Amino acid sequence: DGGITQSPKYLFRKEGQNVTLSCEQNLNHDAMYWYRQDPGQGLRLIYYSQIVNDFQKGDIAEGYSVSREKKESFPLTVTSAQKNPTAFYLCASSRGTGDSGANVLTFGAGSRLTVL
Amino acid sequence: GQSLEQPSEVTAVEGAIVQINCTYQTSGFYGLSWYQQHDGGAPTFLSYNALDGLEETGRFSSFLSRSDSYGYLLLQELQMKDSASYFCAVRTSRGGGFKTIFGAGTRLFVKA
Repeated sequence: DGGITQSPKYLFRKEGQNVTLSCEQNLNHDAMYWYRQDPGQGLRLIYYSQIVNDFQKGDIAEGYSVSREKKESFPLTVTSAQKNPTAFYLCASSRGTGDSGANVLTFGAGSRLTVL
Repeated sequence: GQSLEQPSEVTAVEGAIVQINCTYQTSGFYGLSWYQQHDGGAPTFLSYNALDGLEETGRFSSFLSRSDSYGYLLLQELQMKDSASYFCAVRTSRGGGFKTIFGAGTRLFVKA
């Protein structure tokens, strides 16, 4: 079955440590996205990528970094520069641009990061 | 900048109809989407409106008025399982390709 796999599901980190969240999709989607969700809040866009080897900052990119070396993969690194990293992180993908399917985001199950 | 406004909470009884409104302010607007999220879960796509008017999908309908920068999600024959958070989201293109920006969400409580 096609879908998006995020790992790990739960992650604990000490202050000052970088951590990388994995996102892999087998939907053959061109576009991929990272969102952050805080308790009782909406989703805020961190980074997005339309094609391989290209990505753009979203609304809250500071303290985060990404790479898009393969179409299937879009890992997110939460760096020590992120002041308040404890949150639920959601990865999504879509068909990209040009057709109605491009407007539909498919989400992974999420990764819950807690900084101790 | 970009902003979306939707009510924080709505309560309705089983079998009733409920409407969740969304107003938005953005440049490069392409369309309005709605997503459902149950506690602890991932958002799932419900509907998308690119043009003015009503789109119907089973018990759910979504409406868009581009001139008013306004849309709504209509849920009919409410069921207990509809208790969840509902997010409106705008698809925009402003440099850097297409992106989807979400509102803060409306928590729907369905009572028996």
